[in-house]
Amino acid sequence: ETGVTQTPRHLVMGMTNKKSLKCEQHLGHNAMYWYKQSAKKPLELMFVYNFKEQTENNSVPSRFSPECPNSSHLFLHLHTLQPEDSALYLCASSQVVAGGLGQETQYFGPGTRLLVL
Amino acid sequence: SQQGEEDPQALSIQEGENATMNCSYKTSINNLQWYRQNSGRGLVHLILIRSNEREKHSGRLRVTLDTSKKSSSLLITASRAADTASYFCAPNTGGFKTIFGAGTRLFVKA
Repeated sequence: ETGVTQTPRHLVMGMTNKKSLKCEQHLGHNAMYWYKQSAKKPLELMFVYNFKEQTENNSVPSRFSPECPNSSHLFLHLHTLQPEDSALYLCASSQVVAGGLGQETQYFGPGTRLLVL
Repeated sequence: SQQGEEDPQALSIQEGENATMNCSYKTSINNLQWYRQNSGRGLVHLILIRSNEREKHSGRLRVTLDTSKKSSSLLITASRAADTASYFCAPNTGGFKTIFGAGTRLFVKA
């Protein structure tokens, strides 16, 4: 148990559906991340939120819409996805110290396995 | 931000043997981290080594860092079947962007 939870753990959706992935961290961290992991491909960073402000958007298609209402919760809203969006979606959090020398340890949730039909 | 490149891509060893995985990167770093991922699960942090450190130990894990060669290695001693997983290095140059490589898939045969 890493202190980061994700729901649902598995999701099957059609291309016309709208669904949301939820991530919650219980570690008091101030930064949260969404990653996409497709089969046989490296982990892809999608979004980064620091103190609830989005600091990175790694050229992600607009059919993925993140939301960070507070520093403990992160959502990924999905709509009109494509079959190639099927993947494992991982959430992570970390504590970034002002003036720190670099990103510290990230704590990952168990992921949501998404299948788009 | 930059991506670490792990080598080898896959490694198969017998239980009890040592496993060594390497990571190379291209520019100066603040720290480098190693993570493990069991199949279909989230990543688990193993060790963080800072740029001014050369070696770090944690249990059966030993990480080295050679900033002159821009490389790092992860050694797992006396491997166990439970060590079967993918291992990723994550060099960090500052900021929030950590780019993970494709990883080394380790298989430990009982």
